[in-house]
Amino acid sequence: ETGVTQTPRHLVMGMTNKKSLKCEQHLGHNAMYWYKQSAKKPLELMFVYSLEERVENNSVPSRFSPECPNSSHLFLHLHTLQPEDSALYLCASSQELFYEQYFGPGTRLTVT
Amino acid sequence: KNEVEQSPQNLTAQEGEFITINCSYSVGISALHWLQQHPGGGIVSLFMLSSGKKKHGRLIATINIQEKHSSLHITASHPRDSAVYICAALGSSNYKLTFGKGTLLTVNP
Repeated sequence: ETGVTQTPRHLVMGMTNKKSLKCEQHLGHNAMYWYKQSAKKPLELMFVYSLEERVENNSVPSRFSPECPNSSHLFLHLHTLQPEDSALYLCASSQELFYEQYFGPGTRLTVT
Repeated sequence: KNEVEQSPQNLTAQEGEFITINCSYSVGISALHWLQQHPGGGIVSLFMLSSGKKKHGRLIATINIQEKHSSLHITASHPRDSAVYICAALGSSNYKLTFGKGTLLTVNP
C-alpha cells in the first residue's frame, strides 16, 4: 500500500465510449503524474502536474484529457480511444517535482 | 534508439548470488531513478540519485556522472527479488523523464 489509489483497476471500453480514470494520493504530495505502460515498451510519461498546474505534456493525443482539481486528485478523461491505447495506466505522486515517486496499482484498460 | 539503455534485458540467477543491472544514458541528467515492478504491475521507487552511491538493505545503487552510467546491485539475492528493474533518467535541461526498457530478473531457489 503506497498511499496512492487508482480506480477502476480494470476497464473495458468501446471506441465510442467516454470514461475517466481516477487517482488519489493521501501523502500530501505536490506533484502527480500519469504514465502509460504498453506491452513490450518502456514506461511513457504522459502528464505531470505540480501544485495543480500542468508542467509536462509529452505529445499525448487529445483523446486523453487530464484534470487536476486539487493536489490530492488526478483524473484522466478518455474519449474515442483506439485499440492501441489498451495498456496499463499508472498514476504516481511525489513530494516535489520529480522527486521519489509513489505509484498507484494502475488501471488495466482494454479498448475494444 | 532509446536514450536510456539497460543491460541485460533478462537475467536469471540462483538464490544467494550477487546481481548487477546496468543503465547507460546519453543525455545530461539531474537525477536517475531506479524502480522495481512486480508481476502484478505495481511499481516501487527504489532509489533516486544524482551522484555517488546509495544503499537500502541488500540493494545498492551507484552512479558515475562522467561515464553516464549507473548500476543497481542486489546482494544475497532471493526469489522475492524477482521483478522487472527499470532505470529512468531525468534530463538536466528540461523535465523529460526517459525510461529504460527494463531488466527482467528471475531468482531461482
